[in-house]
Amino acid sequence: EDKVVQSPLSLVVHEGDTVTLNCSYEVTNFRSLLWYKQEKKAPTFLFMLTSSGIEKKSGRLSSILDKKELFSILNITATQTGDSAVYLCAVVNNAGNMLTFGGGTRLMVKP
Amino acid sequence: ETGVTQTPRHLVMGMTNKKSLKCEQHLGHNAMYWYKQSAKKPLELMFVYSLEERVENNSVPSRFSPECPNSSHLFLHLHTLQPEDSALYLCASSQEDRNSPLHFGNGTRLTVT
Repeated sequence: EDKVVQSPLSLVVHEGDTVTLNCSYEVTNFRSLLWYKQEKKAPTFLFMLTSSGIEKKSGRLSSILDKKELFSILNITATQTGDSAVYLCAVVNNAGNMLTFGGGTRLMVKP
Repeated sequence: ETGVTQTPRHLVMGMTNKKSLKCEQHLGHNAMYWYKQSAKKPLELMFVYSLEERVENNSVPSRFSPECPNSSHLFLHLHTLQPEDSALYLCASSQEDRNSPLHFGNGTRLTVT
């Protein structure tokens, strides 16, 4: 059974701080790892990672995958209050396009 | 606007009611999904329709019944639910053969009384 564990469960920081969110996984026949941001309802897609060591970047957010150690990190620099959300990590195996999600990290950015 | 529309946004139902959740995707995707999101639990996959074939999670109780009349529409029929079924039900779609990420709808917040 595929498994995804995210840490920390929750995090409170102040604007301008840099945060690192962690995602470790166990999956049979790994295909990809995805990060989503969930503010109120619909999780919105951030990154898809398939190869080790290649950083994906979008503005202040970046993510990297380590397929040997089976983890990924999501970095957010110069955090803003609008970054407050639950960040979800999910893995996909080669059996199909079904995601297994972690429990999420709840980030709160205070002014 | 996510391209995936769910209705209703909120639903309160008694344990003896029958109701349906609706999902419509405008993205031209060929796979659709139902997820359940309960407080303090990871998103749980309930059902998948991929290339018009249903892939089912065997742990989903029979009081939840999906229907996918075409690649753009997905329903979740509910009957004789329990209070512990109260949750946010999220629909998602993707393009199965392109390893594309899931696109989620805003969900239906279901409360069973």
